[in-house]
Amino acid sequence: EAGVTQFPSHSVIEKGQTVTLRCDPISGHDNLYWYRRVMGKEIKFLLHFVKESKQDESGMPNNRFLAERTGGTYSTLKVQPAELEDSGVYFCASSLGGQLYSPLHFGNGTRLTVT
Amino acid sequence: LAKTTQPISMDSYEGQEVNITCSHNNIATNDYITWYQQFPSQGPRFIIQGYKTKVTNEVASLFIPADRKSSTLSLPRVSLSDTAVYYCLVVLPGGYNKLIFGAGTRLAVHP
Repeated sequence: EAGVTQFPSHSVIEKGQTVTLRCDPISGHDNLYWYRRVMGKEIKFLLHFVKESKQDESGMPNNRFLAERTGGTYSTLKVQPAELEDSGVYFCASSLGGQLYSPLHFGNGTRLTVT
Repeated sequence: LAKTTQPISMDSYEGQEVNITCSHNNIATNDYITWYQQFPSQGPRFIIQGYKTKVTNEVASLFIPADRKSSTLSLPRVSLSDTAVYYCLVVLPGGYNKLIFGAGTRLAVHP
């Protein structure tokens, strides 16, 4: 089966610009997560979708970040306007729903650089 | 979820067995222990998970003592390709798997 795919793999933008990251989860996975690692820090949770609904967005840093998952399939994470501190690697992960324990399958991330 | 503590780094040589120990003193009754592996420029990859005693799969073994306050990931006969960061996490089963990552253990395997 195809894994979690993220696009683009790299993005370099200027401060104040807008960037949209895309994640395609594994087909059939109801759960979709966004995580990020900023330089020198640990991987941090951003938010969690169950199908098209936001289950937990407690990790979203501020209202410059907007995540959507229309139709419960792919998801987008928009940063508008981007700031220097938004630079880092953004990971998407997906997992099956309704199981006792369902491991997360991560994509390879989008490396965002804000200059 | 319980906080985990593991060594920042470890070094090994090809062919050796590597054991990475993680402490999770405040683990709750229903929590599981799970380990992920991350190679450079890739996302974390699930390795193994367990609740108690011993779990083994084609990649690793996981040893969990009776008090469950620690766990040990065992990698048999490591190769250069096992060089990676290994994360120990405590998870609560169910449809919601909000992983709390620590710094992980950076394993370097030398020729």
